[in-house]
Amino acid sequence: KQEVTQIPAALSVPEGENLVLNCSFTDSAIYNLQWFRQDPGKGLTSLLLIQSSQREQTSGRLNASLDKSSGRSTLYIAASQPGDSATYLCAPGGRYNQGGKLIFGQGTELSVKP
Amino acid sequence: GAGVSQTPSNKVTEKGKYVELRCDPISGHTALYWYRQSLGQGPEFLIYFQGTGAADDSGLPNDRFFAVRPEGSVSTLKIQRTERGDSAVYLCASSLNGQAPEAFFGQGTRLTVV
Repeated sequence: KQEVTQIPAALSVPEGENLVLNCSFTDSAIYNLQWFRQDPGKGLTSLLLIQSSQREQTSGRLNASLDKSSGRSTLYIAASQPGDSATYLCAPGGRYNQGGKLIFGQGTELSVKP
Repeated sequence: GAGVSQTPSNKVTEKGKYVELRCDPISGHTALYWYRQSLGQGPEFLIYFQGTGAADDSGLPNDRFFAVRPEGSVSTLKIQRTERGDSAVYLCASSLNGQAPEAFFGQGTRLTVV
């Protein structure tokens, strides 16, 4: 059974800092991995999708890496801004016969102070 | 539609009542997923549809929960004899197909059982 752990659970940084959010998962036989952002009381917004054959994906100030064999992914946020404050969720996608079912970690709650 | 739409956005019901939650996926997406998110937790998988059929319902907590997708588009999650422990945010997601593409989430329905 896939288990996902995100460290740290909460993070508070001053504006402008570069930061790294960590995600580890127990079953490395994944199809892909998605990083999401969730604002309070809202749904999930997809940030980056990494296919299992890829090592990293970049979108603007965000870079996500995937090391499938070791069961780890990191989300790097450059030059953080107060608008980045949200909960960030990591979700490895299951094996082929599980469809696109995602297993989520508990998230990292990020606060960026002006 | 432009995005995944869920209705209602909020639902308050009395213990023991029956509720229906609706999800309208992105047009053309054949895969649809229901998740449940309790406060402070990541979303938890409930059920996955590929077309009209439930390909994986292993996350449904008990037989009070049921979901349908009769025409392969809109889906309804049905909860019978609601209990206070059913209170959570119910999230729906869709993807182009079940073979590990990007998942897009709706804003969720916040269910409160009193």
